[in-house]
Amino acid sequence: GQQVMQIPQYQHVQEGEDFTTYCNSSTTLSNIQWYKQRPGGHPVFLIQLVKSGEVKKQKRLTFQFGEAKKNSSLHITATQTTDVGTYFCAGHRRSNYQLIWGAGTKLIIKP
Amino acid sequence: DAGVIQSPRHEVTEMGQEVTLRCKPISGHDYLFWYRQTMMRGLELLIYFNNNVPIDDSGMPEDRFSAKMPNASFSTLKIQPSEPRDSAVYFCASSLEGRLAGRQETQYFGPGTRLLVL
Repeated sequence: GQQVMQIPQYQHVQEGEDFTTYCNSSTTLSNIQWYKQRPGGHPVFLIQLVKSGEVKKQKRLTFQFGEAKKNSSLHITATQTTDVGTYFCAGHRRSNYQLIWGAGTKLIIKP
Repeated sequence: DAGVIQSPRHEVTEMGQEVTLRCKPISGHDYLFWYRQTMMRGLELLIYFNNNVPIDDSGMPEDRFSAKMPNASFSTLKIQPSEPRDSAVYFCASSLEGRLAGRQETQYFGPGTRLLVL
């Protein structure tokens, strides 16, 4: 079953509004990765977080890894149409080196 | 680098037919993954290989599905016989061994094969 919970499933925003997606794991993760999948495309790696409490930025995207290494978030400031797609988190558990995927959050820009 | 290559890109077949999906991973990558993506179930890991050896096939839905990796540059996912519920996008991905033994680094996905079983 799903061991990395990702919410929300969908988020509708007006262009220019912010967007946030959250991931929570029932177990401690050794690292967490974020991927973006454009409509009709394939998942593309965005970033990896490894350290407890780590924060990384890529232009308007801010990624955080929780102090307990069980949760993570991706925040997009002032969304643009190019941000449309599904954002996935995926983590390695400390006890197992297999990558565990969240269900993804679909970002939809309202017309 | 050409990235992960998958073929065919689209496949339409009739129920009961055999379907073979192909993947060429990025040269030098140690891990190869097969995923299935549907609206209902999202992205599911079917099986993955490390150095051509299947490590975990617990995601393979049933005996109709089989995967092979005869060498480091080629893998197949076969469905026999196919059923309409197998309709999905099938992704192949590859990655390098991490700096820590057994760790997997960034996964690079192919463009996917869009399968429709009528």
